[in-house]
Amino acid sequence: EAGVVQSPRYKIIEKKQPVAFWCNPISGHNTLYWYLQNLGQGPELLIRYENEEAVDDSQLPKDRFSAERLKGVDSTLKIQPAELGDSAVYLCASSQGQGAGTQYFGPGTRLTVL
Amino acid sequence: DAKTTQPTSMDCAEGRAANLPCNHSTISGNEYVYWYRQIHSQGPQYIIHGLKNNETNEMASLIITEDRKSSTLILPHATLRDTAVYYCIVRVVDYGQNFVFGPGTRLSVLP
Repeated sequence: EAGVVQSPRYKIIEKKQPVAFWCNPISGHNTLYWYLQNLGQGPELLIRYENEEAVDDSQLPKDRFSAERLKGVDSTLKIQPAELGDSAVYLCASSQGQGAGTQYFGPGTRLTVL
Repeated sequence: DAKTTQPTSMDCAEGRAANLPCNHSTISGNEYVYWYRQIHSQGPQYIIHGLKNNETNEMASLIITEDRKSSTLILPHATLRDTAVYYCIVRVVDYGQNFVFGPGTRLSVLP
């Protein structure tokens, strides 16, 4: 069974540029998560989707971050415009059972903002 | 904030058992203990979880104290590939309950 797929794995951009990350969850997993991980710290939740609905986006900086999960499968996380402080790893995870199940993570996208 | 306390780092000799402690003194009766690990440049990997009873799978064993205020993850025969950051998380297995990760324990398996 394929795991959570993320692309790109690495991205380098200049500040004020837009950037987008893509995630394909494990087949059949209706819950999808985006996390932010700063160096030396654990992942922090940005947003959680149940199917196509964002049910917890309280930690998403909505002035510059946006996300979508059309058709309840793949998801895209966007930053516009990027700032230096956005340099981090962006992780996607998925689970079954409306968020009650074990989460399985993708490899992440490492973003560097210059 | 994370509800668990873990040592910042630990070393273990290759081939020996690695015992990673976790304190969760404020755990509630319906909260499970989960363990994940993160190898460099990869996403977190699920290891094991439990509620009250000790659990074992192909990767590790989880020992939970009777009062449930602490637990230990045991890697029975550590290899160099087990070098990673290990996260202990407590969580209600229910709709809407998120994982809250702390900084974890950095385990170094030494040759």
